[in-house]
Amino acid sequence: EAQVTQNPRYLITVTGKKLTVTCSQNMNHEYMSWYRQDPGLGLRQIYYSMNVEVTDKGDVPEGYKVSRKEKRNFPLILESPSPNQTSLYFCASSLRTPGTFGGAFFGQGTRLTVV
Amino acid sequence: GQQLNQSPQSMFIQEGEDVSMNCTSSSIFNTWLWYKQDPGEGPVLLIALYKAGELTSNGRLTAQFGITRKDSFLNISASIPSDVGIYFCAGQPPLHGSGNTGKLIFGQGTTLQVKP
Repeated sequence: EAQVTQNPRYLITVTGKKLTVTCSQNMNHEYMSWYRQDPGLGLRQIYYSMNVEVTDKGDVPEGYKVSRKEKRNFPLILESPSPNQTSLYFCASSLRTPGTFGGAFFGQGTRLTVV
Repeated sequence: GQQLNQSPQSMFIQEGEDVSMNCTSSSIFNTWLWYKQDPGEGPVLLIALYKAGELTSNGRLTAQFGITRKDSFLNISASIPSDVGIYFCAGQPPLHGSGNTGKLIFGQGTTLQVKP
């Protein structure tokens, strides 16, 4: 089954404790991206990757890191989480660009709380 | 950065009614996308628009890419209870005037509630 898998689904952590949210896709997609969703703000793009070893900043990259060492995985790293990073996070993948119709998938989301 | 203004913020309609929502921007986009998000789920792509003026349908959904490349609308005809959810527009800005970046800008969302 074609899917984007995020882990964990829920996470409560403390300020400053490094964490990684994993994202994996099984569709051989070139494009992957991370978003955060906050009430009233819609989704905001954090980072995206057009292919292996190619990553670029979205609209809200501060406080986050990503890597794309292999095609299927695109982890999101918070080196020193802060309470303003409490949010619902989504990973997405698509064949080449986000607008590839029929080949755009989102994960189930990771709800992160930083206390 | 670029922003998308999506309206209305929310709609509460009777089953069977038609629905219309739109997105506008001060900047041009190369691609417009419309997504639906159900509670507890990730967004699902409904319609993708690639050319200015393009009008595309997907079942009861119809969307158009504005001629100016700065706006798009989504219509839902004869709404049913399962249309309930949050609808998002999203746009891909051009890369130095042509081609696409990997950036994607989302609107704030339109929450749709349908009364049976």
